[in-house]
Amino acid sequence: GAVVSQHPSRVICKSGTSVKIECRSLDFQATTMFWYRQFPKQSLMLMATSNEGSKATYEQGVEKDKFLINHASLTLSTLTVTSAHPEDSSFYICSAGPDGHLEAFFGQGTRLTVV
Amino acid sequence: DAKTTQPPSMDCAEGRAANLPCNHSTISGNEYVYWYRQIHSQGPQYIIHGLKNNETNEMASLIITEDRKSSTLILPHATLRDTAVYYCIVRVSGNTGKLIFGQGTTLQVKP
Repeated sequence: GAVVSQHPSRVICKSGTSVKIECRSLDFQATTMFWYRQFPKQSLMLMATSNEGSKATYEQGVEKDKFLINHASLTLSTLTVTSAHPEDSSFYICSAGPDGHLEAFFGQGTRLTVV
Repeated sequence: DAKTTQPPSMDCAEGRAANLPCNHSTISGNEYVYWYRQIHSQGPQYIIHGLKNNETNEMASLIITEDRKSSTLILPHATLRDTAVYYCIVRVSGNTGKLIFGQGTTLQVKP
């Protein structure tokens, strides 16, 4: 299957700082990518849809000013958690699928810990 | 997208077939059934998908009932590495990967 890569896999940051997470499609182009968040022992929750060359679409209850998404190219989307707080500590996962294909592929996830 | 119902947990003996059920009684005619799994602390892994017909690939088989209101994912010879949370998702096809996850089934493969 297609490969989606996230970086970093783990990050620890201080409260009040911002953290950027990258999601790359390595062997295909993706006009749309998706960002999910997963708290311990819970399922994945869709946060937003990242659209290449246009604004992201956020799910209800997700603060767009706190979770900044940029999709500047067909192979890269970034999620920036601004002014991070301990409650933002979570597992963040991105997904993408080759245009015209039915499958979606996931990155390996980023474990964010805010101290 | 239609809602799915899965048992919260299942056990399976190593080497035996694991049969994971999923109910999707409100599925629409243009919605596909997808299965993903998530091994602890990793991103979900695509397993298989289908619309009406049964499907098989190198990982698993997907059996969809004739009325499409339920399906079963079959891992023919479960190994310890198949221990994971398995998610059944139904969605309309399209060139997007927007998936709404339920709680899934935690499959524990035991020696």
